[in-house]
Amino acid sequence: GAVVSQHPSRVICKSGTSVKIECRSLDFQATTMFWYRQFPKQSLMLMATSNEGSKATYEQGVEKDKFLINHASLTLSTLTVTSAHPEDSSFYICSARDREAEAFFGQGTRLTVV
Amino acid sequence: QKEVEQNSGPLSVPEGAIASLNCTYSDRGSQSFFWYRQYSGKSPELIMSIYSNGDKEDGRFTAQLNKASQYVSLLIRDSQPSDSATYLCAVNMKKGTTDSWGKLQFGAGTQVVVTP
Repeated sequence: GAVVSQHPSRVICKSGTSVKIECRSLDFQATTMFWYRQFPKQSLMLMATSNEGSKATYEQGVEKDKFLINHASLTLSTLTVTSAHPEDSSFYICSARDREAEAFFGQGTRLTVV
Repeated sequence: QKEVEQNSGPLSVPEGAIASLNCTYSDRGSQSFFWYRQYSGKSPELIMSIYSNGDKEDGRFTAQLNKASQYVSLLIRDSQPSDSATYLCAVNMKKGTTDSWGKLQFGAGTQVVVTP
């Protein structure tokens, strides 16, 4: 299957600072990437759909000014958590869909805000 | 009604037995269906995709799709302790989205525990 690489895998930051997470499709071009958040023992929650060259589409209840998404190329999307607070601590996962519309996930980023 | 529903489990399966997981979905127009496996603390891994009614086999995994009844299932034969994980059903839905590919909607997942 296709390979999606996410970095960093784990990050600890102080409350009030910003954190950037990168998502790359390594062996295919992804015009659309997706960002999910997952709290312990809960299912994936779609946060936003990242479209190359255009603004991201955010799900209801997700603050676009807090979770900044940039999809500048066909292989890279970034999620920046701005002014992070402890309640933003979660597992953030990106995914990209290939030509068969199958979605492949990055390794995930465990964010801890202290 | 949730768009994609799964039993949360845990589903306890003896080693060597068959694990049977079920998933129902609400959008009758859905065309693509996927099963993901997620180990604790890891991201989901695609294990099966199915698009047509009937069975699709891949190794020890068999996916079954019945669009008329709006359900998709996953069978794991000869279950191994390494199969212990949460299995996520995902349905590609056209309804409620302008994305030409549709929107991938996930169920809450079924936890499978394979006991030696």
